Amino acid sequence: GAVVSQHPSWVICKSGTSVKIECRSLDFQATTMFWYRQFPKQSLMLMATSNEGSKATYEQGVEKDKFLINHASLTLSTLTVTSAHPEDSSFYICSARSFRLAGYNEQFFGPGTRLTVL
Amino acid sequence: AQKVTQAQTEISVVEKEDVTLDCVYETRDTTYYLFWYKQPPSGELVFLIRRNSFDEQNEISGRYSWNFQKSTSSFNFTITASQVVDSAVYFCALTWANNLFFGTGTRLTVIP
Repeated sequence: GAVVSQHPSWVICKSGTSVKIECRSLDFQATTMFWYRQFPKQSLMLMATSNEGSKATYEQGVEKDKFLINHASLTLSTLTVTSAHPEDSSFYICSARSFRLAGYNEQFFGPGTRLTVL
Repeated sequence: AQKVTQAQTEISVVEKEDVTLDCVYETRDTTYYLFWYKQPPSGELVFLIRRNSFDEQNEISGRYSWNFQKSTSSFNFTITASQVVDSAVYFCALTWANNLFFGTGTRLTVIP
């Protein structure tokens, strides 16, 4: 149980285009989903937290107009990188949390999406 | 402020050696959770353990063991008889404001 999927697993795009990454909780309803970014050989940095049906909360320094997050249902959150640039190339990881499943203290992670912007 | 320190950025051991990965944390919360995750080259995070602040019992799971000491704010992870498949980056993490705060990770290389 507690499986989280991400799609696509990798994507290459041209500079200036937008890319959408999907995060799905497959066998549970996620009240909260999180988006992390990980640059090579670095740690995971939280970008934003989203609760179903409400606006995402972005961490300091993360541009909300550039990284659009939509959490339309209890099993799906999307991250859209708008007008992507090479510096947005990174590994994006989502996670999901269900209070009913594991309280507030455990997140279930997706496999990640590697974005390369040319 | 919350902080997780993994002072060892990279460790190399020869197969079958034991290795300990250090994790030191800072928090003002009285109730908190600590985690260890493994990130193999594929990138997917693998959950290893969760420990709450009220449970200082050490835990053993196969070749893995964890030593939680509140007095020194440490939550160290030991791999016994290391194997090549243990090569990965290992992250220690702390709950903070209902979110997870990750340390910088330790890259473990097990040499055959």
